[in-house]
Amino acid sequence: EADIYQTPRYLVIGTGKKITLECSQTMGHDKMYWYQQDPGMELHLIHYSYGVNSTEKGDLSSESTVSRIRTEHFPLTLESARPSHTSQYLCASSEGREMSEQYFGPGTRLTVT
Amino acid sequence: GQNIDQPTEMTATEGAIVQINCTYQTSGFNGLFWYQQHAGEAPTFLSYNVLDGLEEKGRFSSFLSRSKGYSYLLLKELQMKDSASYLCAVLDSNYQLIWGAGTKLIIKP
Repeated sequence: EADIYQTPRYLVIGTGKKITLECSQTMGHDKMYWYQQDPGMELHLIHYSYGVNSTEKGDLSSESTVSRIRTEHFPLTLESARPSHTSQYLCASSEGREMSEQYFGPGTRLTVT
Repeated sequence: GQNIDQPTEMTATEGAIVQINCTYQTSGFNGLFWYQQHAGEAPTFLSYNVLDGLEEKGRFSSFLSRSKGYSYLLLKELQMKDSASYLCAVLDSNYQLIWGAGTKLIIKP
């Protein structure tokens, strides 16, 4: 069973607020990812990291930032939340091999009012 | 552009067999994944194919034809708990995962 955690699970916040979504994994995986997923839609890659001090933007950077100071921790920050940020945010991790499967956290459902 | 096509929704009967198709057009190919996602939950890994042919894993099998840009997921002896979305994802030449929108499978008694 995968050990990857996300907090909070649900968040309702007002426009303009700064928020940080937390993601931690205890598997020692080098690679970590943040995805955004709307109901019935495909996953969109927001950011990814191949290891400590490595971060890259995906197709949908979404006016967000990430950091990877420790292997196990990969937080996502929205500097100024907007209603268009309302979505499900999924964190995932995988081993270093390119074809390794990704393990997903339970997700954070964000609503921006 | 890169594109993955799957049917939006399928319905099947408990105990039956269902085949979920996935066609892809990507810049390069380094393998294809199938994931299962129950409503409101995170995706979980089902299978990975990189060579042509059929991979069997219990009630689930996955097939790949690289020349046709085509894969399918075969589910046998369907159970109610198999009601979920099934996501097809292709690893492209840059080893980035390209995701399909998923196929929602509804199982009826």
